[in-house]
Order: sequence, then C-alpha cells, then structure tokens
Amino acid sequence: SYVLTQPPSVSVAPGQTARLTCGGDNIGGRGVHWYQQKPGQAPVLVINDDRDRPSGIPERFSGSNSGNTATLTISRVEAGDEADYYCQVLDDTSYVFGTGTKVTVL
Amino acid sequence: EVQLVESGGDLVQPGGSLRLSCAASGFSVADYYMNWVRQAPGGGLEWVSILYSGGDIFYADSVNGRFTISRDTSKNTLSLQMNNLKADDTAVYFCIKGGIRGTNFESWGRGTLVSVSS
Repeated sequence: SYVLTQPPSVSVAPGQTARLTCGGDNIGGRGVHWYQQKPGQAPVLVINDDRDRPSGIPERFSGSNSGNTATLTISRVEAGDEADYYCQVLDDTSYVFGTGTKVTVL
Repeated sequence: EVQLVESGGDLVQPGGSLRLSCAASGFSVADYYMNWVRQAPGGGLEWVSILYSGGDIFYADSVNGRFTISRDTSKNTLSLQMNNLKADDTAVYFCIKGGIRGTNFESWGRGTLVSVSS
C-alpha cells in the first residue's frame, strides 16, 4: 500500500516560515490534500489538490507538489498555527494519510 | 451550513458490537461521498470506509468484513455498524462529507469515542 512520510515535528518562531514536507513515491502525480488539527478538535482541510485554499483559509497557507515531495508552507507563522498537520492522497479506492507533523510555535 | 454530529460511541468488550450514527444537516448525504475516519488515542488519522453517492462502498483492510457503512436518506444520516470489535478499534470516529470529486475530506464532525476493552 502507498506510504506517506512526514517529519514528526517542526519548530518555528512567530513571523517566520514553516515548510512541512510529505514524501511519497512519485507523489507529484497525485493530488495532495492537507489538514490542520488543533488539540481536542476535528481536522480542518487547509489545502486541497496540492495548492488550492478552501474558503476561509488564510493566504499564509500554500502548497506545492512535485517529484517525490509535497510541501505545505505556512508564511508569517502565528501562535494559532500550532497544531498537527496531515497530508492525504487517494490511492485507488483507498485513502492514505501521512504520519503527521506537529508544528510548535516557539 | 454543513453540520455533522456523531453519536453512539461507548465502552464495549472485545468481540462486541456497536452502531455509530451521524446526523447531517445543510446538505443531503445521498448527494455526496460520505466517510468515516478514525483516530486512535494519541495517534494519527486512519480512513475507515466510504459510501459513494452512487452507492458504491469501500472499506479499509483493517475493518473489511467487520464494519458496515450505510445511510438513511429519509433521516439524512450516515451509520457505521461495527462487529467483532478489537482493542485496536479504540479510537475517535469522525463522520465526514467528502469533496465534490471524492478525493478528500471536506467537512468533519467532532467525532465520537469508541473504547474496546474488557
């Protein structure tokens, strides 16, 4: 089955840029979706199909996808961005999530 | 406004059964891809099952043969019948409205906790 690999944690200072990676075999050929999950809450879709932002998601969130790595970029990081972030793809008729990255705002 | 409210989570013994329900509002469950995703305590997200608007159904290998997804269009609800439960099924179960193309998970409920333990 298809595997998505994410670094367990990323730390970033407020106002700086966080880059979260999601690795998978030729992931550039698939649509990648990103979710933000704050403690005690349900996940929220923040990036759809590699780079599209759903309504209500700040422009600070952006995505890219090429080769074997997809990337979620959070610009001008704020304290409220502290959360777990998961990437996800469709694999035939199954859905695969990455292992998740915990973003800590210093 | 889309709303999804899960119910039915409980403490159940290994080998037991449980039925989860998800009450939807703001849209019709018959018109969208509807999913269940679970999250073990302190763990990551795991897709469980999907019910296409056209009626096709798929399950994760880990639950295939034990879980059954269904919908009641008259009540606008989604259900998950879980049989032969195992300790590994312990998780928060989320009901989700899928995106228009069925490739992602657009709107999530708050989840309901299922604990499997003797």
